[in-house]
Amino acid sequence: DVKVTQSSRYLVKRTGEKVFLECVQDMDHENMFWYRQDPGLGLRLIYFSYDVKMKEKGDIPEGYSVSREKKERFSLILESASTNQTSMYLCASSFLWDSLYEQYFGPGTRLTVT
Amino acid sequence: AQTVTQSQPEMSVQEAETVTLSCTYDTSESDYYLFWYKQPPSRQMILVIRQEAYKQQNATENRFSVNFQKAAKSFSLKISDSQLGDAAMYFCAYRSYSGGGADGLTFGKGTHLIIQP
Repeated sequence: DVKVTQSSRYLVKRTGEKVFLECVQDMDHENMFWYRQDPGLGLRLIYFSYDVKMKEKGDIPEGYSVSREKKERFSLILESASTNQTSMYLCASSFLWDSLYEQYFGPGTRLTVT
Repeated sequence: AQTVTQSQPEMSVQEAETVTLSCTYDTSESDYYLFWYKQPPSRQMILVIRQEAYKQQNATENRFSVNFQKAAKSFSLKISDSQLGDAAMYFCAYRSYSGGGADGLTFGKGTHLIIQP
């Protein structure tokens, strides 16, 4: 079974703190994604990566950055957390050349910024 | 840019009955993929069913089937013989057909499905 894990299920941080959200997948997937999920807004793509050290902006990259130093690990970084970044963050992964384009999701990290 | 619209924030159905969740999308592309994902309470998002736009035949997975109307840009999900375990948020999602490569999904806002025992 594909496994995508996220470092924390719940996280509470203060405004202005630097926050790291970690995601690890064990299926040798090339693609990794970070989404943000808010009630009434669905999921929105923040960043994605198709290879080590490669990254692409999604629909809402402002206030976020990412890092991919190893194929299996994709980190989302909030340089200076703000209250409007309180949300559920979902990581996903997939094969680069999978014609069916299935993405596998992690359990999510619920981040609260106070 | 593509958009995905789910017009039903919440649906309720009696156990064993059939329910249909609606999804419409807007795109200028001719080739693409459509998906329905399920997110049970406090559990991971999983793929329910997918449809390739170039296929005319509607996809079916056991009790789950879709009604794909390409000209109308409509992609509804039908759940037959609803079970308590079907209770979840359901998201409709779109992905461009790029022949490979990385690309994110565009999601609708979701429909909360309640199953009444």
